[in-house]
Amino acid sequence: DAKTTQPNSMESNEEEPVHLPCNHSTISGTDYIHWYRQLPSQGPEYVIHGLTSNVNNRMASLAIAEDRKSSTLILHRATLRDAAVYYCILRDNNAGNMLTFGGGTRLMVKP
Amino acid sequence: DTGVSQNPRHKITKRGQNVTFRCDPISEHNRLYWYRQTLGQGPEFLTYFQNEAQLEKSRLLSDRFSAERPKGSFSTLEIQRTEQGDSAMYLCASSRKGALGNTIYFGEGSWLTVV
Repeated sequence: DAKTTQPNSMESNEEEPVHLPCNHSTISGTDYIHWYRQLPSQGPEYVIHGLTSNVNNRMASLAIAEDRKSSTLILHRATLRDAAVYYCILRDNNAGNMLTFGGGTRLMVKP
Repeated sequence: DTGVSQNPRHKITKRGQNVTFRCDPISEHNRLYWYRQTLGQGPEFLTYFQNEAQLEKSRLLSDRFSAERPKGSFSTLEIQRTEQGDSAMYLCASSRKGALGNTIYFGEGSWLTVV
């Protein structure tokens, strides 16, 4: 799987937007960009995924660079419950389909 | 609740004992995955099934580990002769082949402590 690079940690204030960056310069044409998050003592939770176009859902937005070598997960209004480790993962939809997790970004939300 | 179900959620065992974890995937999900996660690390892939066939195994899956999915529904992960290094959270996940993007859904995990 192509590798992703994320900051180890980020801090945000409650009710402010958060932009979580991810670099994936070796992405291939068939790789989807997936974001998962993991709250303390829980299994990872799907957040959003995309291929080329920006995507929105009830949890977040995903902005994908035109060259697809980077992406940004956007939480529009951070809450204390958004404090988690966020993983950016590339996944080839045609391959074995397992997810390969990196270290992720630990998001801390301050009240 | 129709999510991925794992049990037991917590297991403490003595070194050398065998343990077995069970995973019930989301109904109609034909792909099932096992991961292991130690403190401070991201989950590491162990193995995955498509229906009852075990299609891929990580090198992390030593010969003390065995996973089965006999009827293509639930799965078990057995660890024989446990060692302290096996202490971790074991995560099960499932997905449906063919679904757009093949979203993978995780269970809450089974915590193993080997003493």
